[in-house]
Amino acid sequence: EPEVTQTPSHQVTQMGQEVILRCVPISNHLYFYWYRQILGQKVEFLVSFYNNEISEKSEIFDDQFSVERPDGSNFTLKIRSTKLEDSAMYFCASRMTGWDDTGELFFGEGSRLTVL
Amino acid sequence: KQEVTQIPAALSVPEGENLVLNCSFTDSAIYNLQWFRQDPGKGLTSLLLIQSSQREQTSGRLNASLDKSSGRSTLYIAASQPGDSATYLCAADSGGSNYKLTFGKGTLLTVNP
Repeated sequence: EPEVTQTPSHQVTQMGQEVILRCVPISNHLYFYWYRQILGQKVEFLVSFYNNEISEKSEIFDDQFSVERPDGSNFTLKIRSTKLEDSAMYFCASRMTGWDDTGELFFGEGSRLTVL
Repeated sequence: KQEVTQIPAALSVPEGENLVLNCSFTDSAIYNLQWFRQDPGKGLTSLLLIQSSQREQTSGRLNASLDKSSGRSTLYIAASQPGDSATYLCAADSGGSNYKLTFGKGTLLTVNP
């Protein structure tokens, strides 16, 4: 069964360092998302991406964050200068859309980011 | 702005019991509602999706219902097992051009043998 894959599963970094989280969405999907979950809190929407551009972003998604689909298969989230409060589980998701779209969002296993 | 609330926050039951988890949402103009399971430190596993035109969906021992007019969804788990222990999340999809999900905080379920 097709699945969304994410790497790395866990990354530890020093405050101020750049981090890139990678995702491979399901191949025939058209919408891509990043969500995050700070420990003990709700899963929060960060950004949606469609047709090679950001379609919506939350107030969390400031200038320190960027997304890219560099090669038609990978979907990346970059945090330019990490802060302690960026420590969270980051989830990538994708969905198909189209005439037969059920609306189901498929999530990856997550990348746990720890900022020291 | 959509807000999703889940009650109870935690629930502990003996094995074999039937149980109901509740989810409420403030904006009834949803495209669909999804229920997920999350094991500690793990990802989100989709359990059931109810489209806005549907009233319920069933998968095995799980049944989810949706009442858009009252802004409520319930997840019914029959004959609970220790392996059902996890956090259950509901998420409302408000549709529009981006179909993003708004999550509740979840119900932590513990099923005791």
